[in-house]
Amino acid sequence: GAVVSQHPSWVICKSGTSVKIECRSLDFQATTMFWYRQFPKQSLMLMATSNEGSKATYEQGVEKDKFLINHASLTLSTLTVTSAHPEDSSFYICSARETSNTDTQYFGPGTRLTVL
Amino acid sequence: TQLLEQSPQFLSIQEGENLTVYCNSSSVFSSLQWYRQEPGEGPVLLVTVVTGGEVKKLKRLTFQFGDARKDSSLHITAAQPGDTGLYLCAGDPYYGGSQGNLIFGKGTKLSVKP
Repeated sequence: GAVVSQHPSWVICKSGTSVKIECRSLDFQATTMFWYRQFPKQSLMLMATSNEGSKATYEQGVEKDKFLINHASLTLSTLTVTSAHPEDSSFYICSARETSNTDTQYFGPGTRLTVL
Repeated sequence: TQLLEQSPQFLSIQEGENLTVYCNSSSVFSSLQWYRQEPGEGPVLLVTVVTGGEVKKLKRLTFQFGDARKDSSLHITAAQPGDTGLYLCAGDPYYGGSQGNLIFGKGTKLSVKP
């Protein structure tokens, strides 16, 4: 089956630093990847849609200058949390939409970010 | 804005019992997916239903897509402790599946006690 990886799986950083999270589709090409945020015991909240070779589309209320997204290839999208603050601590999950099968998204294992 | 109402939000049952989780909307979805998520991990796809009235079975799990493509259900027969987890339904709101921005239900946290 389609596999999506995320790196790192967890990260702890100091307030004010930037953190980059990678999302890779390992065995398929994904022109579109999605970034979600999930708070404890809650469902996923879509942050942005990442399209290969173009600018990401951000959901309402998500600061594009704070959450930088780059989708430089058909298998890699990155999310950079700039000047992180404790309120940015969360579980970040990416998903990838297989180019040849547009009905299904495959999710990465998530990245736990803790900002001290 | 399209919404998916998922119920119940929490469910605690004994091993061997049956259960059904529902996802309902007033809007049509081109497809609907069910995921299971364990703590600290990403959601794992269980099934995708595409055709109105479609029924898919995955061992003890039965998934149904409503005829009008506005609702779906997940039925688990003889639940086991290994079924414990967060179950999420997610619909693709664009007819024809051109965008893929999934709309997620709030999830059902299932606990199956031995």
